[in-house]
Amino acid sequence: DAKTTQPPSMDCAEGRAANLPCNHSTISGNEYVYWYRQIHSQGPQYIIHGLKNNETNEMASLIITEDRKSSTLILPHATLRDTAVYYCIVRVVSSGGSNYKLTFGKGTLLTVNP
Amino acid sequence: NAGVMQNPRHLVRRRGQEARLRCSPMKGHSHVYWYRQLPEEGLKFMVYLQKENIIDESGMPKERFSAEFPKEGPSILRIQQVVRGDSAAYFCASSQGQGINQPQHFGDGTRLSIL
Repeated sequence: DAKTTQPPSMDCAEGRAANLPCNHSTISGNEYVYWYRQIHSQGPQYIIHGLKNNETNEMASLIITEDRKSSTLILPHATLRDTAVYYCIVRVVSSGGSNYKLTFGKGTLLTVNP
Repeated sequence: NAGVMQNPRHLVRRRGQEARLRCSPMKGHSHVYWYRQLPEEGLKFMVYLQKENIIDESGMPKERFSAEFPKEGPSILRIQQVVRGDSAAYFCASSQGQGINQPQHFGDGTRLSIL
């Protein structure tokens, strides 16, 4: 699986958009980008995933660059409850092999300030 | 994290005792995964099970650790003769299938402390 690089920490003002970057320059054509977050003392929470098109759901938007070497998770109106560690993970599509193993790095600690 | 239920949330054991961690997957999910998170580290895959079958246990220590997912009832992660190094948060996840558009959903974990 491709390696991902994220900044260790970021701050955001409440009500503003939080833009969390992720670099995955070695991503392959059959790898998806997944985002999870982990709020203190809880388990990881699935946010969104995508292959090459931008995706949006009720939680966030995922913008993937055309060359797929990087992506940005956008929380449009951050709240204090969005304070968490955000993990960017690449996951291979193939039905064979061990594509079910999620590899969590250190992620980005997003702190939303009042 | 609604849906995947883990219990207990906290478990304290003395060295040499057994720890049993339970996981009930989300309704309709037949695939279960266990991960371990050591202090200040990311989650690490341990084992993947489908009903009554262990599919991949490559991330689980060969000694003292075992997992099962019976036809009826929750998945169980068992740690025998616990040692201090087993202190960690153990997370269970479930999914409908293995496909890429079937994300894993996690429970809130069991925090195991070894005295």
